[in-house]
Order: sequence, then C-alpha cells, then structure tokens
Amino acid sequence: DAGITQSPRHKVTETGTPVTLRCHQTENHRYMYWYRQDPGHGLRLIHYSYGVKDTDKGEVSDGYSVSRSKTEDFLLTLESATSSQTSVYFCAISGPAGEQETQYFGPGTRLLVL
Amino acid sequence: AQKVTQAQTEISVVEKEDVTLDCVYETRDTTYYLFWYKQPPSGELVFLIRRNSFDEQNEISGRYSWNFQKSTSSFNFTITASQVVDSAVYFCALSEAGDNFNKFYFGSGTKLNVKP
Repeated sequence: DAGITQSPRHKVTETGTPVTLRCHQTENHRYMYWYRQDPGHGLRLIHYSYGVKDTDKGEVSDGYSVSRSKTEDFLLTLESATSSQTSVYFCAISGPAGEQETQYFGPGTRLLVL
Repeated sequence: AQKVTQAQTEISVVEKEDVTLDCVYETRDTTYYLFWYKQPPSGELVFLIRRNSFDEQNEISGRYSWNFQKSTSSFNFTITASQVVDSAVYFCALSEAGDNFNKFYFGSGTKLNVKP
C-alpha cells in the first residue's frame, strides 16, 4: 500500500471557523491531490500539486486553499468553513516514475460543518 | 471534455453469481488511461487496475476480469463467482496522458451488493 496518511480522520467544526487538513506521504512522489466525495457527485478534484510550492486549481476550488512546502505534505485549508463543505475529503498521490498516471488514495477525512 | 459514465447505479446479486459493471467513456485524445477503483463500506479507495489506450488486451486477475473495447469506448469489469466481500462501490476513471495526465475524471460509481 502507498504510504499516505491523512489527519485528522474525523472533524466536527462550526461554520465560519478555519480548518486545515493534512496529507502526508512517505513515497516521495511528485503529484498530490485533494478531492471531495459527496453523494450524487462522486469524486471531485479541489486542488492538486505538481511539486513543492507548485499548485493548481481543480473543478471545485472555491472556498479552499492549499500549500505544499515539502514534498511529503500537502495541506488543504478551508478559510471559513461552510455547511456546504461537509464532505469526505480524500488525498491522493501519483504513482512512481513510469506510473505517474495512477493515483493512490489516502484513507479519507470526514468533515462535518455545523 | 472528458466524461465517464457508469449507468448502473446499484446492482444486487446473490453470492456465486457473475456480475459485470459497465463503464463508457468519452475522450478526443488518442492517448489516455482507464482505471477501476473499489470503495468498500469501510470507505477507503482501492486501486484495482490501470489500462492505457494502446493496450486492448483483456486482463484477468483471479475472479476479476476487464474488457477494454476502444470501438465502443467501454471498459467493463466482470466479477466471476461473486462473494459477499465484493460488496462495494466501484468507480471507473479516465485520465489523459501528457501535460494533463494527472487529471482524473471519475464516473459516479456503481454500488454492488452481494447477498449470501
């Protein structure tokens, strides 16, 4: 299994508070991604990173920001959480060189915004 | 634009039955990749298989097999002699090679219920 961890695994917060989710990999792979999964919408890409300090937006990036200061860590921040951001968040990393088109997923973080 | 369609929202079978999960995709690119992932009730997403657009050979792995047909833009997944542990949501995904190869397009998933 790819070495991907997410923290926290579960979080309950209130509307308007900032929230940061962390994704950590031990594989030293280049690409990292944040998705959200919601019923009826499947998995939707929020942001992705193609290297340290190199990030780009996905299809549902509004209300989210990311940072990648080290290869192994990719942080997702909700600056002011809203109830519509209640979801399950998955981090993913690309495969190794030669298999970078494959994505491997972390265990997920369940976020409830009250 | 790319699109992945999994028309079967939910399928129920009895253990030991064979079941096929359908996946149809749309892309204008000649180079792309197709994937299947499994999401069991515990919630994690498990990578099952990757296929590139130049390799139409069918693949078999134990009770799992995949049928890739470019002529019909389909990448179907068959489970032979299904088991209760196969109960999960299965996602098909498409990714383009090249500069944007890291962008995935997921289908909406098919929930498979295998009853004992």
